Amino acid sequence: QSALTQPASVSGSPGQSITISCTGTSSDIGGTNYVSWYQQYPGKAPKLMIFDVTNRPSGVSNRFSGSKSGNTASLTISGLQGEDEADYYCNSYTSHGSWVFGGGTKVTVL
Amino acid sequence: QLQLQESGPGLVKPSETLSLTCTVSDDSITTGNYCWAWIRQPPGKGLEWIANMCYTGTTYYNPSLKSRVTISADTSKRQFSLMLTSVTAADSAVYYCARRTAYTSRRDFWGQGTLVTVSS
Repeated sequence: QSALTQPASVSGSPGQSITISCTGTSSDIGGTNYVSWYQQYPGKAPKLMIFDVTNRPSGVSNRFSGSKSGNTASLTISGLQGEDEADYYCNSYTSHGSWVFGGGTKVTVL
Repeated sequence: QLQLQESGPGLVKPSETLSLTCTVSDDSITTGNYCWAWIRQPPGKGLEWIANMCYTGTTYYNPSLKSRVTISADTSKRQFSLMLTSVTAADSAVYYCARRTAYTSRRDFWGQGTLVTVSS
């Protein structure tokens, strides 16, 4: 199975909004609502930010939101802050019963 | 707060078998509707899902690793395990265990990760 496609890097200034895309196929993102997003700092375990396309776990800032259209899922970070500088990964269930991650996006706060 | 802890050798020789165990701090491995996964991350690279086992006993594997991977659980010890055979340098990675709520994509508890290096 091929990794989902994410941009290698996205940047923005404090206070701005940025969106990270995650493109798959009809066999993964396009065919399921089991899409999640993770934030990872260097040397740390990933942290769940969004699950089931749009749901935010308790404790995650409402500045983070998720959406999906066709075979592409998106993570939007509004009111960008310095602490948002991290790597972000999307993850999707597939029609084969397996899971696939995106290649990861490095977010830089200018 | 649930805690997951990976354990196992940090160094494995090429062609040998990598064995890791994840210890779960509560009874959710026996009492809840959860799936238990292994995920790895080579140094400087992205995440790769390896396998999971759900509370029903059903197992799922990454197609690219399926021939070499086995996931199993010992619920009496609150543990689940990973075996990866015939390892090469490409299997060197930080290995994470994680819990997901079944019938969702909510994978909200992760271990801290353990680095495994494949080298002679």
